[in-house]
Amino acid sequence: GQNIDQPTEMTATEGAIVQINCTYQTSGFNGLFWYQQHAGEAPTFLSYNVLDGLEEKGRFSSFLSRSKGYSYLLLKELQMKDSASYLCAVRNQGGKLIFGQGTELSVKP
Amino acid sequence: DTGVSQNPRHKITKRGQNVTFRCDPISEHNRLYWYRQTLGQGPEFLTYFQNEAQLEKSRLLSDRFSAERPKGSFSTLEIQRTEQGDSAMYLCASSLSESGGANYGYTFGSGTRLTVV
Repeated sequence: GQNIDQPTEMTATEGAIVQINCTYQTSGFNGLFWYQQHAGEAPTFLSYNVLDGLEEKGRFSSFLSRSKGYSYLLLKELQMKDSASYLCAVRNQGGKLIFGQGTELSVKP
Repeated sequence: DTGVSQNPRHKITKRGQNVTFRCDPISEHNRLYWYRQTLGQGPEFLTYFQNEAQLEKSRLLSDRFSAERPKGSFSTLEIQRTEQGDSAMYLCASSLSESGGANYGYTFGSGTRLTVV
């Protein structure tokens, strides 16, 4: 079967750091993606991990452990505009992305 | 290239009517995907094409749904005899196939929001 779990919602304060976790069980693994989606808009690409370890990209970092079926997205120096849904997605061997339900992040002043 | 384009952006239809949505992918992308997304959920896979061939359809896709990509460029998604449960955002995405490089993630269109009344 295929299952991707992430928290439904999180709240954090402007300027702080937040970590959004994602665990997955999928038949075949060919990379893990994080997307950001603002309300009513299309998902936009944030990060990609295919090997274990940390990928850093400005204020955003993503970590992957394939043996644990675990990833996290780390957002630093939070800004109000970071309030959005964050989608964890696993790509299977055929190239298809399977998405989690998304984590709704609210950044408070 | 202006990215992935979807039309219309919004569609309101009466239950029982047929609707058709269009997606124009990034021109050099040979893969095209359709997803459905409801409020508070992640995108749910419907079907995908490599060039003009439809390679996979979700078991969730009933017989009322059909998709085409006749020339391997734009694609259409048709829903026949719409039901209120079909109300959702329909997202199209395109990508290169696996032979196209290491990071062949999706580029999404802005979606078509369908409301069935």
